[in-house]
Amino acid sequence: GQNIDQPTEMTATEGAIVQINCTYQTSGFNGLFWYQQHAGEAPTFLSYNVLDGLEEKGRFSSFLSRSKGYSYLLLKELQMKDSASYLCAVRAAPGDYKLSFGAGTTVTVRA
Amino acid sequence: GAVVSQHPSRVICKSGTSVKIECRSLDFQATTMFWYRQFPKQSLMLMATSNEGSKATYEQGVEKDKFLINHASLTLSTLTVTSAHPEDSSFYICSARLASLQETQYFGPGTRLLVL
Repeated sequence: GQNIDQPTEMTATEGAIVQINCTYQTSGFNGLFWYQQHAGEAPTFLSYNVLDGLEEKGRFSSFLSRSKGYSYLLLKELQMKDSASYLCAVRAAPGDYKLSFGAGTTVTVRA
Repeated sequence: GAVVSQHPSRVICKSGTSVKIECRSLDFQATTMFWYRQFPKQSLMLMATSNEGSKATYEQGVEKDKFLINHASLTLSTLTVTSAHPEDSSFYICSARLASLQETQYFGPGTRLLVL
């Protein structure tokens, strides 16, 4: 089976930076996704990494190290609306479009 | 961006009845759609992969006769929960695969099912 681990909860202050780590042990690897999910809503796509390195997209950046089975999502200049659950998902094999999700990290932004 | 709709958004039904949930890709064609279930404070669990024009592929432990999936066109997949019971109460979310280099899945807004 696929094993994807991320912290359960994190709390940060408005304007600060938070880094959400994700480690994975999967049968293969063909891409890692980060999604944001507000309570009671469906996940929305944030980022995609398939090669090692950092992908930056506005206030959000995502990093991948395939040799370490590790990724992080970096949220900068935190806003109250960033309070949500952040899901790490791995696609294990090319041609297999299924995603395996981690349990999600609930981020709470405080004023 | 890619938009996926889901209907209904919320449904309450009596135990023993069947419920149909629709998932539509609004501005792109999706040969593959996915159905997930999410219990409170848990992550998404894949139930099945819906393939246009062919039978769905179910994950281990998911009863195909209970969760009927039909993917009749490139923009529509339906999930029917047959003879629903209270333990089927959950948040059901579909996603559609946008064929691209990233092969990103875009999610519908979800359907909250409550079986009394």
